[in-house]
Amino acid sequence: NAGVMQNPRHLVRRRGQEARLRCSPMKGHSHVYWYRQLPEEGLKFMVYLQKENIIDESGMPKERFSAEFPKEGPSILRIQQVVRGDSAAYFCASSQRTDSLDREAFFGQGTRLTVV
Amino acid sequence: AQKITQTQPGMFVQEKEAVTLDCTYDTSDPSYGLFWYKQPSSGEMIFLIYQGSYDQQNATEGRYSLNFQKARKSANLVISASQLGDSAMYFCAMRGDNTNAGKSTFGDGTTLTVKP
Repeated sequence: NAGVMQNPRHLVRRRGQEARLRCSPMKGHSHVYWYRQLPEEGLKFMVYLQKENIIDESGMPKERFSAEFPKEGPSILRIQQVVRGDSAAYFCASSQRTDSLDREAFFGQGTRLTVV
Repeated sequence: AQKITQTQPGMFVQEKEAVTLDCTYDTSDPSYGLFWYKQPSSGEMIFLIYQGSYDQQNATEGRYSLNFQKARKSANLVISASQLGDSAMYFCAMRGDNTNAGKSTFGDGTTLTVKP
């Protein structure tokens, strides 16, 4: 899973600033998923994207959060006007399109966002 | 909707002994996949083992095995011959057959501590 690259690994933002988290999927993968992990909790699905399309954003907060996966370049998770409650680890996963359930999604190492 | 329940917030095991981490699930999907991930203190998500709902045999991967009891909707992870490096957080997760590979539902995790 070293192929999914997330940066930065650690990000500190003051309340009200913007946070931009980047995810480059594994080579050959065109599907990207973002998850959020609050302290002492499991991962919670946020959004699923394919190139230039948002497929499922059912787990994304309605305000301040947005995601994109442009034709060229990494997927970006953007959080505007961050608040302390946004402090969490944000994980990106990528996969190939498949109908087989045993295809695991490969995770990046996560970005740990701290809002001060 | 899918739900994963891990009832053990923390577990201790003596080095070289076996340990079982519990996981129960709920889903209305006719077919689904169950996964276990390990998250060490460094934070990355490491895939351990997969079980398909129609697999006839329980999955095994080295020292990891999955005790799958479909009627009870349980998918417990068994780690044999525990090692100090097994100390980590362990997450059970699932995907249903109507979701793309990658969108998973996670439990809240079990922290395993291996004692020397």
